[in-house]
Amino acid sequence: AQSVAQPEDQVNVAEGNPLTVKCTYSVSGNPYLFWYVQYPNRGLQFLLKYITGDNLVKGSYGFEAEFNKSQTSFHLKKPSALVSDSALYFCAVRDLRNTGGFKTIFGAGTRLFVKA
Amino acid sequence: DTAVSQTPKYLVTQMGNDKSIKCEQNLGHDTMYWYKQDSKKFLKIMFSYNNKELIINETVPNRFSPKSPDKAHLNLHINSLELGDSAVYFCASSHQDRGTDTQYFGPGTRLTVL
Repeated sequence: AQSVAQPEDQVNVAEGNPLTVKCTYSVSGNPYLFWYVQYPNRGLQFLLKYITGDNLVKGSYGFEAEFNKSQTSFHLKKPSALVSDSALYFCAVRDLRNTGGFKTIFGAGTRLFVKA
Repeated sequence: DTAVSQTPKYLVTQMGNDKSIKCEQNLGHDTMYWYKQDSKKFLKIMFSYNNKELIINETVPNRFSPKSPDKAHLNLHINSLELGDSAVYFCASSHQDRGTDTQYFGPGTRLTVL
């Protein structure tokens, strides 16, 4: 079965500094990987995804993620953090089910706190 | 226009009651989901419907019954509510036939069982 792990419960970074939110995955076959963001009292919002192609994927709000097959990682990055980036970030992997269709498996989430 | 909407946003009720949450999407997606997010923010899938057919039914108590009257709607009915049902319930939709399964989430329904 596919799985994702987010090793950090919380990441703290100063505004203007680069940020990284870590994600590692375990899949059989080619991975379909996603990052979602959840702001307080809101639903999750799609940020970006990796399916195939370039290892560096660009997404919304200036975020990008780097797919690294040898390290089975898909870390989320941003060159310069904003206070408004403070939120809960979820890494996810698509699991192809034997009975057909897909199920998305979400990591436990990492809370990003950007200090002014 | 709200892409995925849920009603109600908040639901406070007594143990033992029956309640429903409604979800609608106007994105033309073929698949809809119910997720439960607990107090630690873990997100767990409960059900998924593809073209009105139930395709995912995780280990959820029988007290939870989803219903999809058409592709744009997925409702969740909960019987005999228990304290442990308190959580935020999210509806989501995607276009699985396009292969990537990017999901769009509703704003959530915060259920509090007293």
